[in-house]
Amino acid sequence: EDQVTQSPEALRLQEGESSSLNCSYTVSGLRGLFWYRQDPGKGPEFLFTLYSAGEEKEKERLKATLTKKESFLHITAPKPEDSATYLCAVQVRTGGYQKVTFGIGTKLQVIP
Amino acid sequence: GAGVSQTPSNKVTEKGKYVELRCDPISGHTALYWYRQSLGQGPEFLIYFQGTGAADDSGLPNDRFFAVRPEGSVSTLKIQRTERGDSAVYLCASSLTGGQQETQYFGPGTRLLVL
Repeated sequence: EDQVTQSPEALRLQEGESSSLNCSYTVSGLRGLFWYRQDPGKGPEFLFTLYSAGEEKEKERLKATLTKKESFLHITAPKPEDSATYLCAVQVRTGGYQKVTFGIGTKLQVIP
Repeated sequence: GAGVSQTPSNKVTEKGKYVELRCDPISGHTALYWYRQSLGQGPEFLIYFQGTGAADDSGLPNDRFFAVRPEGSVSTLKIQRTERGDSAVYLCASSLTGGQQETQYFGPGTRLLVL
């Protein structure tokens, strides 16, 4: 069974204090790994897709990396507006289509 | 351009009632997905449509849940005889063709509360 585990479940940072969120996965035939941001009361907002081990992508203060077993979302010098829940999802091929399984997310709070 | 829209944004109903939740995907997207998100959890897959047909409904929890997409665009998730445990946020997402490595774009969700 495909499994996605995110850690920590919650993270509290001071503004400017860099850190990393982890997403470890156990799947057969990974097609892609997605990172989403979710603000309270809203739907997930797409951030990145990673396709193969060694790949990295950046957007403003966020950088996502991928290995064969896990992905990291690095947050450099975070600001209060980065506070949100960050969701990781893996895509595998099953039954002729691409199925996506989500982790439970990491709730990030950045304190001014 | 317009994103995925969902209506209503909030729905309060009584146990045993019937509810319909609507999803309007991004124009031109043939793949449509429904998820359910409980408090503190990630989205949980319910059903996937490719065009008008349900290609995978393995995530529907029981036969009280049903979804349609008659014209290959708008989809409706239907819940019969609602139970308190059905309370959750119901999310809809769409992607261009459902192909490999495609991004799913989410709507804002419908918050369902069953009293």
